[in-house]
Amino acid sequence: DAKTTQPPSMDCAEGRAANLPCNHSTISGNEYVYWYRQIHSQGPQYIIHGLKNNETNEMASLIITEDRKSSTLILPHATLRDTAVYYCIVRDPNSGGSNYKLTFGKGTLLTVNP
Amino acid sequence: GAVVSQHPSWVICKSGTSVKIECRSLDFQATTMFWYRQFPKQSLMLMATSNEGSKATYEQGVEKDKFLINHASLTLSTLTVTSAHPEDSSFYICSARWTMRGYNEQFFGPGTRLTVL
Repeated sequence: DAKTTQPPSMDCAEGRAANLPCNHSTISGNEYVYWYRQIHSQGPQYIIHGLKNNETNEMASLIITEDRKSSTLILPHATLRDTAVYYCIVRDPNSGGSNYKLTFGKGTLLTVNP
Repeated sequence: GAVVSQHPSWVICKSGTSVKIECRSLDFQATTMFWYRQFPKQSLMLMATSNEGSKATYEQGVEKDKFLINHASLTLSTLTVTSAHPEDSSFYICSARWTMRGYNEQFFGPGTRLTVL
């Protein structure tokens, strides 16, 4: 899988949009961009994924640059419960036999402040 | 999304005892499950890949005789920490892979907090 680079931490005011960047300059054509988050003492939670078009669901929006070398996860109205570590991972969901391994980097600790 | 459960959610044990953690995929069959370990303020580290009906594949540096993995059915994998010591205290997270015609996703359990006294 291509490597990703994320800032170690970010702060956001409650009610404002949180924009979390991710660089993945070596992403290959078949790899999607996935975002997970991990709230303290819980398992990772899937947020969203996309290939090249922007995506939106009930949790967040994902903006992928045209060259696909970077992306931004947007939480439109951050709440205190959105405080978590956010992981950006690139992978090809159509590949990987029994030996495929999903690995996590250090992610971005987003702290939403009142 | 699919649901993965873990049991117990937390456990405290004495040094030298063995602890078994269960991971279940509740609404899908998972031929492959993964076990991760997470120490405080660190990211998830993959310990092993568990395939139903075969031996688990361990990551470098993970002792297979200490962390016994059994994946006897398509919905259950177990991790047994044998002769646990305080340094084994950690947050253990399992993940199950859902596959459909070559497309796959991973879903994570809520984690198990192990404290070895």
